[in-house]
Amino acid sequence: DQQVKQNSPSLSVQEGRISILNCDYTNSMFDYFLWYKKYPAEGPTFLISISSIKDKNEDGRFTVFLNKSAKHLSLHIVPSQPGDSAVYFCAASPFGNEKLTFGTGTRLTIIP
Amino acid sequence: DVKVTQSSRYLVKRTGEKVFLECVQDMDHENMFWYRQDPGLGLRLIYFSYDVKMKEKGDIPEGYSVSREKKERFSLILESASTNQTSMYLCASRTGAKNIQYFGAGTRLSVL
Repeated sequence: DQQVKQNSPSLSVQEGRISILNCDYTNSMFDYFLWYKKYPAEGPTFLISISSIKDKNEDGRFTVFLNKSAKHLSLHIVPSQPGDSAVYFCAASPFGNEKLTFGTGTRLTIIP
Repeated sequence: DVKVTQSSRYLVKRTGEKVFLECVQDMDHENMFWYRQDPGLGLRLIYFSYDVKMKEKGDIPEGYSVSREKKERFSLILESASTNQTSMYLCASRTGAKNIQYFGAGTRLSVL
């Protein structure tokens, strides 16, 4: 049972435009959410997080939105740059739990 | 900067061999994790250690065991490697603040 779902395996976006990556979850106990970025032959690197007491968190070009009623979060990257081409994973955990549940990933390609 | 080091980037082993994957972190983190990453399946948790000599099964522990004799080192053991264990293996350690996990570069294991 996939508790964290990323339904788009891939996404292509023109350089300079907005990239929107989506993630849905089913476990209502999840209250902390993270996005990781992964380049080929490297480990995932932490990008941005949000707790369930917020609906938005921003860090430079990256913004994460959380819609708890819809059990949906999204990552917005604006403007998109060629270096943003990578696989993006969303992850979630319940309060006080050390373990993360990851989605299957979305491969983002930025077209110059 | 947190550093998580995995001893090998690439490994080729034969079916039935015993395989050791080593991971070392330099941030005095209590929690360490082993995942495998497969196309279309995302990151799946194999085992988790919340302290020295303490371990907990993840979602897919079958065919694997772990060892944590020292806080900085977490080893994944494939007792008798099989072809379906060909995968990318990722080690992570966790800081208590904000439940962020930091990953190593990964070990790509091929079992022939």
